[in-house]
Amino acid sequence: NAGVTQTPKFQVLKTGQSMTLQCAQDMNHEYMSWYRQDPGMGLRLIHYSVGAGITDQGEVPNGYNVSRSTTEDFPLRLLSAAPSQTSVYFCASRRTGGYTEAFFGQGTRLTVV
Amino acid sequence: DQQVKQNSPSLSVQEGRISILNCDYTNSMFDYFLWYKKYPAEGPTFLISISSIKDKNEDGRFTVFLNKSAKHLSLHIVPSQPGDSAVYFCAASAGAQKLVFGQGTRLTINP
Repeated sequence: NAGVTQTPKFQVLKTGQSMTLQCAQDMNHEYMSWYRQDPGMGLRLIHYSVGAGITDQGEVPNGYNVSRSTTEDFPLRLLSAAPSQTSVYFCASRRTGGYTEAFFGQGTRLTVV
Repeated sequence: DQQVKQNSPSLSVQEGRISILNCDYTNSMFDYFLWYKKYPAEGPTFLISISSIKDKNEDGRFTVFLNKSAKHLSLHIVPSQPGDSAVYFCAASAGAQKLVFGQGTRLTINP
């Protein structure tokens, strides 16, 4: 029972490099989202999706891109990494059509040097 | 604009006593509220929730109270155990859509 799977768990990037954080869920959830966690800031929403082909911006979308071509996958792309993007990133999924909880992945710790 | 606020960054409680974590919100459209628990190097895990039609929900040692007029919710843990030491996040949503989280409160249970 995998739930929400994120890869990689750790990543170090140089400023200006690009990369994709992967997120996959096997619960057939329509809703998926990406958060970043920073000290004292809680979990801030980057982008979210309510289904395949539909994405929208959250609170802190700048510097990130997403797409949703399948129900299962929701990758997050860093276009040109900056030190301000050093953070822990969490992917979450949730069933829509009712009041339910979101399930989170284990997180990706990203350091941009 | 922080729509969900947890004003206490940390809380220390004696084992066996009650832990009370607080959360305030500003958006009156929020109608579903959740508490998550997070251990280091792990993702947040769901603890308990409450919808706006209720003012209390209980699950074992955990009870969530909602005061809609004050836009305030609280999580009570009784009795507190060492394994409860973690960071607790409250979250809210308007309908079954995106969750907005607070800053988190680090709870430490002392033996």
